Amino acid sequence: GAGVSQSPRYKVAKRGQDVALRCDPISGHVSLFWYQQALGQGPEFLTYFQNEAQLDKSGLPSDRFFAERPEGSVSTLKIQRTQQEDSAVYLCASSSDGGAGFETQYFGPGTRLLVL
Amino acid sequence: KNQVEQSPQSLIILEGKNCTLQCNYTVSPFSNLRWYKQDTGRGPVSLTIMTFSENTKSNGRYTATLDADTKQSSLHITASQLSDSASYICVVSPWDSGYSTLTFGKGTMLLVSP
Repeated sequence: GAGVSQSPRYKVAKRGQDVALRCDPISGHVSLFWYQQALGQGPEFLTYFQNEAQLDKSGLPSDRFFAERPEGSVSTLKIQRTQQEDSAVYLCASSSDGGAGFETQYFGPGTRLLVL
Repeated sequence: KNQVEQSPQSLIILEGKNCTLQCNYTVSPFSNLRWYKQDTGRGPVSLTIMTFSENTKSNGRYTATLDADTKQSSLHITASQLSDSASYICVVSPWDSGYSTLTFGKGTMLLVSP
């Protein structure tokens, strides 16, 4: 596609509900990243995929957060038993490199999650 | 924990004026430093990428500088336009990652007023 797309753009969930956020990276991009951006803050790294392999999940805040990219393209970030502190914008980014990270990361518009 | 500090937190300037945004970081050693522009409700868009050996990088009216000795970077915007109103985020990539694990600053919110 022309850019990184994410869906849904907005999600309201009741506390305790499970949610799934989708990311469609730029076609052919090897690397895919998920970030969490709280209001008024910069994005914070959650997890990184190189093709279908999840190489780094050190940023996931708890075991309620799970990400997958089974075929090396589309990725899903799942949050189980959502809590109010999960409310944030979840950004997905992709890049064409699989190594030292000098290539530009292209970000999607984000999914704004509000947990009530 | 690696940190990236930006100043000012917010800034209002008149259309046509220049401005300079600052970024101080403690990430060391680092691979590269990036400046991103983030419009409200949108994802960040890359403006410049500099490696540790580069001192300056330009992209149109945007010029980024880097002093790796003092661990400081700046983003200078020339002849500002209303469309420059956005958050500008400084991002540093640690060297010890074989891939890009980026440390983001909180951003400077710039408002260009007519």
